[in-house]
Amino acid sequence: EAGVTQFPSHSVIEKGQTVTLRCDPISGHDNLYWYRRVMGKEIKFLLHFVKESKQDESGMPNNRFLAERTGGTYSTLKVQPAELEDSGVYFCASSAAPGQSTDTQYFGPGTRLTVL
Amino acid sequence: DQQVKQNSPSLSVQEGRISILNCDYTNSMFDYFLWYKKYPAEGPTFLISISSIKDKNEDGRFTVFLNKSAKHLSLHIVPSQPGDSAVYFCAASALIYNQGGKLIFGQGTELSVKP
Repeated sequence: EAGVTQFPSHSVIEKGQTVTLRCDPISGHDNLYWYRRVMGKEIKFLLHFVKESKQDESGMPNNRFLAERTGGTYSTLKVQPAELEDSGVYFCASSAAPGQSTDTQYFGPGTRLTVL
Repeated sequence: DQQVKQNSPSLSVQEGRISILNCDYTNSMFDYFLWYKKYPAEGPTFLISISSIKDKNEDGRFTVFLNKSAKHLSLHIVPSQPGDSAVYFCAASALIYNQGGKLIFGQGTELSVKP
């Protein structure tokens, strides 16, 4: 069974540009999460999808970030326009059970975003 | 404010000895705790978890202890092996967070096991 995949693995863009990150969860997983780790600090929650619906987007930094999950399969996270402080590693995770706190989240390898 | 804290950014242990990684939390609503392991250029991998109704959970060489009164948990690795060298993240969640799921992570502790 394929794990969580993310594309691209690295992205280097200039301030003001737009970047779109993609996450493909494990097949059949209804729950999809986005997290971000900045400068070796803690991994911070961004948002949670259940199928195509946003269950919790309390961690989204501001309105420059837009996440979608059309059709309840893969998800995209767009940053527009990108700022220097958006640099970091963006992780996607998925889980099978309907948002239960005891369900295991499986993480992708992350996308390293560098904004110059 | 950081609700989950790992105060030791790094730990070095000799192969065969015990590794003890510590984690403190502040939110008494947390009811489930997890440890994830992360190798460079990879995503975090689930290692072991514990529910707040327990004080210990063991899986092979890995044991997690939970002290609710102190809001403290620890991960013990016995015996430590060089392949255990990685960054270990403590995480917590609570059903209060909108049907659960949302994980709150600590900053991570980099474990180095010397041969």
